[in-house]
Amino acid sequence: DVKVTQSSRYLVKRTGEKVFLECVQDMDHENMFWYRQDPGLGLRLIYFSYDVKMKEKGDIPEGYSVSREKKERFSLILESASTNQTSMYLCASSFQRMTSGGARQFFGPGTRLTVL
Amino acid sequence: GQQVMQIPQYQHVQEGEDFTTYCNSSTTLSNIQWYKQRPGGHPVFLIQLVKSGEVKKQKRLTFQFGEAKKNSSLHITATQTTDVGTYFCATDKLIFGTGTRLQVFP
Repeated sequence: DVKVTQSSRYLVKRTGEKVFLECVQDMDHENMFWYRQDPGLGLRLIYFSYDVKMKEKGDIPEGYSVSREKKERFSLILESASTNQTSMYLCASSFQRMTSGGARQFFGPGTRLTVL
Repeated sequence: GQQVMQIPQYQHVQEGEDFTTYCNSSTTLSNIQWYKQRPGGHPVFLIQLVKSGEVKKQKRLTFQFGEAKKNSSLHITATQTTDVGTYFCATDKLIFGTGTRLQVFP
């Protein structure tokens, strides 16, 4: 079974702090994704990566950056956390790209981040 | 850019009743996926549809992909309390619908 783990289940930070959210997958997947989930808005893509050291902006990248130094690890960074970044953050990985078909995503348990 | 609408937003049904959620895209899709998220859980993949007019079944769940490949539906026959959760569609552009939250009353 594919396992996607996230570093924290719950996190509370203060405005202006730098925040690191870590995601690790154990199935040698090429593709990794970061989403945020807010009530009524569904899942929105922040950043994704199709290879090590490669990153692509999603629909809402502002205020975020990412790092993919190793294939299994994809980090989301909030350079200076703000209250509007309070949300559930979900990491996912997939073996194939969505455009090629057969690209089911496996999600981690999520990190509920609160920025005070 | 591609826009996705999913309806309804909420659905409350009596156990045993049927349920359907619809997903509509502004652009033609190469494929569409469906996910289920239980309360407090994370999205779990259900199925992917690729072909125009495709219909797939998983026990009481029936998934359809429209002929024009711009819309899709998920139908649950005779709902059970275990069906409770939010159902999302996801497009080939990594855009998720806003989800339909299903509540089933015993």
